[in-house]
Amino acid sequence: AQSVTQLGSHVSVSEGALVLLRCNYSSSVPPYLFWYVQYPNQGLQLLLKYTSAATLVKGINGFEAEFKKSETSFHLTKPSAHMSDAAEYFCAVSELANQAGTALIFGKGTTLSVSS
Amino acid sequence: DVKVTQSSRYLVKRTGEKVFLECVQDMDHENMFWYRQDPGLGLRLIYFSYDVKMKEKGDIPEGYSVSREKKERFSLILESASTNQTSMYLCASSPYMGTGEAFFGQGTRLTVV
Repeated sequence: AQSVTQLGSHVSVSEGALVLLRCNYSSSVPPYLFWYVQYPNQGLQLLLKYTSAATLVKGINGFEAEFKKSETSFHLTKPSAHMSDAAEYFCAVSELANQAGTALIFGKGTTLSVSS
Repeated sequence: DVKVTQSSRYLVKRTGEKVFLECVQDMDHENMFWYRQDPGLGLRLIYFSYDVKMKEKGDIPEGYSVSREKKERFSLILESASTNQTSMYLCASSPYMGTGEAFFGQGTRLTVV
């Protein structure tokens, strides 16, 4: 079965600093990969997704992620953090659950704190 | 925009009660999912459904059941609620045989006392 590992349950940065959230996956076939963001007491919102096109994927709110097959990684970055980026971030991989559908497998999440 | 609506944002139930969590999506998606979210554990799949009246167990189905009588509606049932089922429950939907990208509801925070 596929799995996702997010390194660091909590990351703290200063406003204006680089944001780097790490995600590694295990898969025997090329996967589809996703980053979702969750603000307090909200559902999950898609930030970006990799679906085997360009390896560098740009998402909303200035975030981007790079798919590196050799490292089985899909790290999320943003050049300059903003206070509004404080949230919980989840990396996910899609797994073919059966011939009919797919289910997302999630990492345990990383909470991003941004200080002024 | 895809909309996934969960019937309640907050619920408080007593131990032993039968609890229904309802979810409706408006994009004609074939797949629907129920996840449970707990601090430090991320999202764990409880059940999913890829068609009306079809269901598949996820990673943590014990103590739960589901119902899908109509394509747009997917219900999660706690047959006899227990305190260890206090959690955030998230419903999601996705199109048939797509990339797996799922669209989420706002979540239901259930407290069992």
